[in-house]
Amino acid sequence: NAGVMQNPRHLVRRRGQEARLRCSPMKGHSHVYWYRQLPEEGLKFMVYLQKENIIDESGMPKERFSAEFPKEGPSILRIQQVVRGDSAAYFCASSLGRARVNEQFFGPGTRLTVL
Amino acid sequence: AQTVTQSQPEMSVQEAETVTLSCTYDTSESDYYLFWYKQPPSRQMILVIRQEAYKQQNATENRFSVNFQKAAKSFSLKISDSQLGDAAMYFCAYRPGMDSSYKLIFGSGTRLLVRP
Repeated sequence: NAGVMQNPRHLVRRRGQEARLRCSPMKGHSHVYWYRQLPEEGLKFMVYLQKENIIDESGMPKERFSAEFPKEGPSILRIQQVVRGDSAAYFCASSLGRARVNEQFFGPGTRLTVL
Repeated sequence: AQTVTQSQPEMSVQEAETVTLSCTYDTSESDYYLFWYKQPPSRQMILVIRQEAYKQQNATENRFSVNFQKAAKSFSLKISDSQLGDAAMYFCAYRPGMDSSYKLIFGSGTRLLVRP
Protein backbone atom coordinates (compact mmCIF):
# COMPACT_ATOMS: atom_id res chain seq x y z
CA ASN A 1 0.00 0.00 0.00
CA ALA A 2 1.92 2.98 -1.30
CA GLY A 3 2.03 6.09 0.82
CA VAL A 4 1.59 9.66 -0.31
CA MET A 5 3.73 10.31 -3.37
CA GLN A 6 5.14 13.67 -4.34
CA ASN A 7 7.16 14.59 -7.36
CA PRO A 8 9.52 15.92 -8.17
CA ARG A 9 11.49 15.58 -4.93
CA HIS A 10 13.72 18.49 -5.94
CA LEU A 11 12.86 21.29 -8.30
CA VAL A 12 15.09 24.16 -9.38
CA ARG A 13 13.59 27.17 -11.10
CA ARG A 14 14.87 30.58 -12.12
CA ARG A 15 13.03 33.68 -11.03
CA GLY A 16 9.98 34.27 -13.20
CA GLN A 17 9.47 30.63 -14.18
CA GLU A 18 6.57 28.43 -13.18
CA ALA A 19 6.76 25.57 -10.68
CA ARG A 20 4.35 22.64 -10.70
CA LEU A 21 4.33 20.30 -7.74
CA ARG A 22 2.39 17.04 -7.85
CA CYS A 23 0.87 14.98 -5.07
CA SER A 24 -0.77 11.57 -5.32
CA PRO A 25 -2.67 10.75 -2.13
CA MET A 26 -2.75 7.38 -0.46
CA LYS A 27 -5.05 4.86 -2.07
CA GLY A 28 -8.62 5.54 -1.01
CA HIS A 29 -7.91 9.05 0.29
CA SER A 30 -9.88 11.88 -1.25
CA HIS A 31 -8.72 14.73 0.99
CA VAL A 32 -5.45 16.52 0.29
CA TYR A 33 -3.63 19.23 2.24
CA TRP A 34 -0.63 21.30 1.21
CA TYR A 35 1.84 22.73 3.72
CA ARG A 36 4.92 24.88 3.22
CA GLN A 37 8.08 24.73 5.29
CA LEU A 38 10.40 27.69 5.05
CA PRO A 39 14.03 27.13 6.15
CA GLU A 40 14.38 26.62 9.91
CA GLU A 41 10.62 26.84 10.46
CA GLY A 42 7.69 24.52 11.06
CA LEU A 43 5.14 23.59 8.45
CA LYS A 44 2.40 26.09 7.66
CA PHE A 45 -0.97 25.17 6.20
CA MET A 46 -1.67 26.43 2.70
CA VAL A 47 -4.74 24.76 1.21
CA TYR A 48 -7.19 21.90 1.69
CA LEU A 49 -8.83 20.20 -1.26
CA GLN A 50 -11.25 17.41 -1.94
CA LYS A 51 -11.76 15.96 -5.38
CA GLU A 52 -12.62 18.87 -7.73
CA ASN A 53 -13.16 21.26 -4.81
CA ILE A 54 -11.06 23.74 -2.90
CA ILE A 55 -12.36 23.67 0.66
CA ASP A 56 -10.00 26.11 2.35
CA GLU A 57 -7.23 28.15 0.76
CA SER A 58 -6.81 30.58 3.60
CA GLY A 59 -3.10 29.83 3.95
CA MET A 60 -2.25 30.38 0.33
CA PRO A 61 -0.72 33.65 -0.92
CA LYS A 62 -3.33 35.59 -2.86
CA GLU A 63 -1.21 35.95 -5.99
CA ARG A 64 0.79 33.53 -8.11
CA PHE A 65 -0.27 30.41 -6.15
CA SER A 66 -3.04 28.03 -7.15
CA ALA A 67 -4.02 24.46 -6.37
CA GLU A 68 -6.26 21.86 -7.90
CA PHE A 69 -7.30 18.28 -7.28
CA PRO A 70 -9.02 16.99 -10.41
CA LYS A 71 -11.36 14.05 -10.58
CA GLU A 72 -8.60 12.00 -12.15
CA GLY A 73 -4.91 12.38 -11.45
CA PRO A 74 -2.79 13.98 -8.76
CA SER A 75 -3.27 17.22 -6.90
CA ILE A 76 -1.20 20.05 -8.36
CA LEU A 77 0.25 23.06 -6.56
CA ARG A 78 1.21 25.68 -9.11
CA ILE A 79 3.41 28.68 -8.46
CA GLN A 80 3.64 31.21 -11.25
CA GLN A 81 6.52 33.68 -11.71
CA VAL A 82 8.50 32.26 -8.83
CA VAL A 83 10.61 34.51 -6.62
CA ARG A 84 13.48 33.64 -4.27
CA GLY A 85 11.16 33.79 -1.28
CA ASP A 86 9.24 30.81 -2.67
CA SER A 87 12.23 28.58 -1.97
CA ALA A 88 10.95 26.08 0.57
CA ALA A 89 9.90 22.49 1.10
CA TYR A 90 6.30 21.85 0.08
CA PHE A 91 4.56 18.94 1.76
CA CYS A 92 1.38 17.24 0.76
CA ALA A 93 -0.71 15.18 3.18
CA SER A 94 -3.81 13.11 2.60
CA SER A 95 -6.55 11.67 4.76
CA LEU A 96 -9.53 9.40 4.41
CA GLY A 97 -11.90 12.13 5.49
CA ARG A 98 -11.93 15.40 7.37
CA ALA A 99 -13.40 14.01 10.58
CA ARG A 100 -11.43 14.28 13.77
CA VAL A 101 -10.32 10.69 13.81
CA ASN A 102 -8.67 10.81 10.42
CA GLU A 103 -4.93 11.09 10.50
CA GLN A 104 -3.09 13.08 7.87
CA PHE A 105 -0.31 11.09 6.21
CA PHE A 106 2.53 13.12 4.79
CA GLY A 107 4.46 12.71 1.58
CA PRO A 108 8.25 13.15 1.38
CA GLY A 109 7.96 16.75 0.22
CA THR A 110 9.23 18.70 -2.78
CA ARG A 111 12.16 21.01 -2.17
CA LEU A 112 11.86 24.04 -4.43
CA THR A 113 14.94 26.16 -5.02
CA VAL A 114 14.57 29.44 -6.88
CA LEU A 115 17.78 30.81 -8.35
CA ALA B 1 -5.57 32.27 17.50
CA GLN B 2 -4.03 28.94 18.31
CA THR B 3 -0.25 28.87 18.58
CA VAL B 4 2.37 26.23 19.33
CA THR B 5 5.69 27.13 20.94
CA GLN B 6 8.82 25.04 21.12
CA SER B 7 11.33 26.99 23.16
CA GLN B 8 14.31 24.67 22.63
CA PRO B 9 15.86 25.17 19.17
CA GLU B 10 18.34 22.36 19.83
CA MET B 11 18.83 19.58 22.37
CA SER B 12 21.59 17.05 22.82
CA VAL B 13 21.48 13.64 24.47
CA GLN B 14 23.94 10.85 25.05
CA GLU B 15 23.05 7.55 23.40
CA ALA B 16 21.00 5.33 25.76
CA GLU B 17 20.05 8.31 27.95
CA THR B 18 16.66 10.01 28.27
CA VAL B 19 15.73 13.41 26.87
CA THR B 20 12.61 15.56 27.14
CA LEU B 21 11.48 18.01 24.47
CA SER B 22 9.16 20.83 25.52
CA CYS B 23 6.05 22.14 23.82
CA THR B 24 3.44 24.62 24.96
CA TYR B 25 0.34 25.73 23.11
CA ASP B 26 -2.33 28.34 23.37
CA THR B 27 -5.98 27.64 22.68
CA SER B 28 -9.42 28.42 24.03
CA GLU B 29 -10.74 25.07 22.83
CA SER B 30 -11.36 22.21 25.23
CA ASP B 31 -11.32 19.47 22.60
CA TYR B 32 -8.26 19.02 20.42
CA TYR B 33 -5.45 16.74 19.35
CA LEU B 34 -1.73 17.11 19.94
CA PHE B 35 1.00 15.43 17.93
CA TRP B 36 4.73 14.97 17.83
CA TYR B 37 6.28 14.54 14.38
CA LYS B 38 9.84 13.51 13.59
CA GLN B 39 11.62 14.90 10.54
CA PRO B 40 14.92 13.10 9.84
CA PRO B 41 17.44 14.41 7.29
CA SER B 42 15.35 12.80 4.54
CA ARG B 43 12.73 15.47 5.47
CA GLN B 44 9.91 12.91 5.56
CA MET B 45 7.38 13.83 8.27
CA ILE B 46 6.79 10.83 10.51
CA LEU B 47 4.10 10.75 13.19
CA VAL B 48 5.67 9.73 16.49
CA ILE B 49 2.79 9.99 18.92
CA ARG B 50 -0.71 11.45 19.26
CA GLN B 51 -2.70 12.61 22.28
CA GLU B 52 -6.41 13.34 22.47
CA ALA B 53 -7.12 16.18 24.89
CA TYR B 54 -10.11 14.42 26.43
CA LYS B 55 -7.92 11.49 27.52
CA GLN B 56 -6.25 11.93 30.88
CA GLN B 57 -3.83 9.08 30.33
CA ASN B 58 -0.57 10.06 28.70
CA ALA B 59 0.10 8.43 25.33
CA THR B 60 3.00 6.01 24.99
CA GLU B 61 4.61 4.42 21.93
CA ASN B 62 7.52 2.14 22.84
CA ARG B 63 10.41 4.43 23.88
CA PHE B 64 8.35 7.59 23.29
CA SER B 65 5.95 8.98 25.85
CA VAL B 66 4.32 12.32 26.52
CA ASN B 67 3.60 14.38 29.60
CA PHE B 68 0.31 16.10 28.83
CA GLN B 69 -0.63 18.85 31.27
CA LYS B 70 -3.93 20.23 29.99
CA ALA B 71 -4.30 23.01 32.55
CA ALA B 72 -0.78 24.22 31.89
CA LYS B 73 -1.19 23.70 28.11
CA SER B 74 2.02 21.75 28.04
CA PHE B 75 2.82 18.69 25.93
CA SER B 76 6.38 17.41 26.34
CA LEU B 77 7.92 14.40 24.60
CA LYS B 78 10.18 12.02 26.48
CA ILE B 79 12.51 9.76 24.54
CA SER B 80 13.97 6.94 26.62
CA ASP B 81 17.06 4.89 25.75
CA SER B 82 17.96 7.33 22.98
CA GLN B 83 19.33 5.83 19.78
CA LEU B 84 21.42 7.35 17.01
CA GLY B 85 18.42 7.01 14.70
CA ASP B 86 16.44 9.36 16.91
CA ALA B 87 18.54 12.29 15.69
CA ALA B 88 16.14 14.53 13.78
CA MET B 89 13.99 17.64 13.96
CA TYR B 90 10.97 17.16 16.19
CA PHE B 91 7.82 19.19 15.66
CA CYS B 92 4.93 19.57 18.05
CA ALA B 93 1.56 20.13 16.36
CA TYR B 94 -1.99 21.00 17.38
CA ARG B 95 -5.32 20.37 15.70
CA PRO B 96 -8.77 21.40 16.95
CA GLY B 97 -11.06 18.50 17.71
CA MET B 98 -14.10 19.67 15.79
CA ASP B 99 -14.95 17.58 12.76
CA SER B 100 -14.69 20.68 10.62
CA SER B 101 -11.15 21.41 11.76
CA TYR B 102 -8.31 19.90 9.84
CA LYS B 103 -5.42 22.36 9.91
CA LEU B 104 -2.37 21.18 11.74
CA ILE B 105 -0.58 24.04 13.50
CA PHE B 106 3.10 23.35 13.98
CA GLY B 107 5.74 24.69 16.31
CA SER B 108 9.11 25.83 15.00
CA GLY B 109 10.82 22.56 15.89
CA THR B 110 13.60 21.24 18.11
CA ARG B 111 16.72 19.71 16.61
CA LEU B 112 17.77 16.63 18.58
CA LEU B 113 21.40 15.57 18.45
CA VAL B 114 22.38 12.13 19.74
CA ARG B 115 25.97 11.69 20.89
CA PRO B 116 27.46 8.19 20.49
